[in-house]
Amino acid sequence: ETGVTQSPTHLIKTRGQQVTLRCSSQSGHNTVSWYQQALGQGPQFIFQYYREEENGRGNFPPRFSGLQFPNYSSELNVNALELDDSALYLCACSLGGRQGYTFGSGTRLTVV
Amino acid sequence: GENVEQHPSTLSVQEGDSAVIKCTYSDSASNYFPWYKQELGKRPQLIIDIRSNVGEKKDQRIAVTLNKTAKHFSLHITETQPEDSAVYFCAASMGNSGGSNYKLTFGKGTLLTVNP
Repeated sequence: ETGVTQSPTHLIKTRGQQVTLRCSSQSGHNTVSWYQQALGQGPQFIFQYYREEENGRGNFPPRFSGLQFPNYSSELNVNALELDDSALYLCACSLGGRQGYTFGSGTRLTVV
Repeated sequence: GENVEQHPSTLSVQEGDSAVIKCTYSDSASNYFPWYKQELGKRPQLIIDIRSNVGEKKDQRIAVTLNKTAKHFSLHITETQPEDSAVYFCAASMGNSGGSNYKLTFGKGTLLTVNP
């Protein structure tokens, strides 16, 4: 087990709705990033949190937002869902410093 | 921003042969280069990584080489096995002195098929 858990594993939402995805990691993973992986593509960086503050953002609109909590868990919120938001959403956690990222198993979001 | 190109997009080899996947990056400030293996429906798993102060790293059948001048890095898998069949992604990142690794920019992936 990698120590990075995401929930839920699958989710179906209707266009225009809002969704919250969750990620939890073992203690010490002070850096968490969220990625969107469309079918057949590489993961695309959404944003990153370090010690509860956003410290980097990719080319995603403001309706994609996030939080990191003191216990290192994290949320990804997406408002006003669009059909193109259908994808696998991955969180990736790191111990910071010179450590690599460990990915969670992802949440498969389908927007209909 | 950083751009990572990955080739080939598909690669088919016979069991026991070697496989090589190549990536180029655009930002000379990138200093961390991981490779991930992703099986169908599963999470990307880190298989090997290399930092810019090293030119080559090996772990059993897997090796990665880095040419900072040319800004390219490669994954080498020797003695391939059917279990190596998966999508492989390269990525590039810039760590900062504050202790938090920065974002990973991924290539588009290579579908490796190892035929028995």
